[in-house]
Amino acid sequence: EAGVTQFPSHSVIEKGQTVTLRCDPISGHDNLYWYRRVMGKEIKFLLHFVKESKQDESGMPNNRFLAERTGGTYSTLKVQPAELEDSGVYFCASSHETSGSYNEQFFGPGTRLTVL
Amino acid sequence: AQSVTQLDSQVPVFEEAPVELRCNYSSSVSVYLFWYVQYPNQGLQLLLKYLSGSTLVKGINGFEAEFNKSQTSFHLRKPSVHISDTAEYFCAVSKRGTGGFKTIFGAGTRLFVKA
Repeated sequence: EAGVTQFPSHSVIEKGQTVTLRCDPISGHDNLYWYRRVMGKEIKFLLHFVKESKQDESGMPNNRFLAERTGGTYSTLKVQPAELEDSGVYFCASSHETSGSYNEQFFGPGTRLTVL
Repeated sequence: AQSVTQLDSQVPVFEEAPVELRCNYSSSVSVYLFWYVQYPNQGLQLLLKYLSGSTLVKGINGFEAEFNKSQTSFHLRKPSVHISDTAEYFCAVSKRGTGGFKTIFGAGTRLFVKA
């Protein structure tokens, strides 16, 4: 079974440009998460989808970031316009839906974004 | 608010020596605890996890961690490291909130294993 995949693996853009990151979760996983690690800092939660609905977007840094998950399958994270401080590694994770005990989050390889 | 503190940002160690990577967390309620590893140019890989039960958890590649509730610690250990263990290690907690589970990570510890 394929794991969580992310595209692209690397992206280098100029300040002010737009970038769209894509995450394909493990098939059948209703939960999809985005995390980000900026240089030298901890990995921070951005938002959580359950199917196509945003369950928690408390970690989104500002309105330049837009996440979507149309159809409840893959998700995109768009940054528009990109700023220097957006540089970092963006991780996606997915897990089974659960109403009770914890289900493991499986992480993708990340997209390394560099804004020049 | 939940927080995770990894006490060492970098740990250099010689091959075949033991290593301990320290992690403390803050919580007044039950949490789930994890260690992840990120090898150079790769994604996050789960090393081990504590959900409940025995406080000594064994993971992949010979790593183990001990959950200490009274000290709110979850230190990672390996009795003899290899060059291939050179990587960055992240301690994390996961707690259920109103919207579901959210994972909170420490800042990471870079382990350098020298020959």
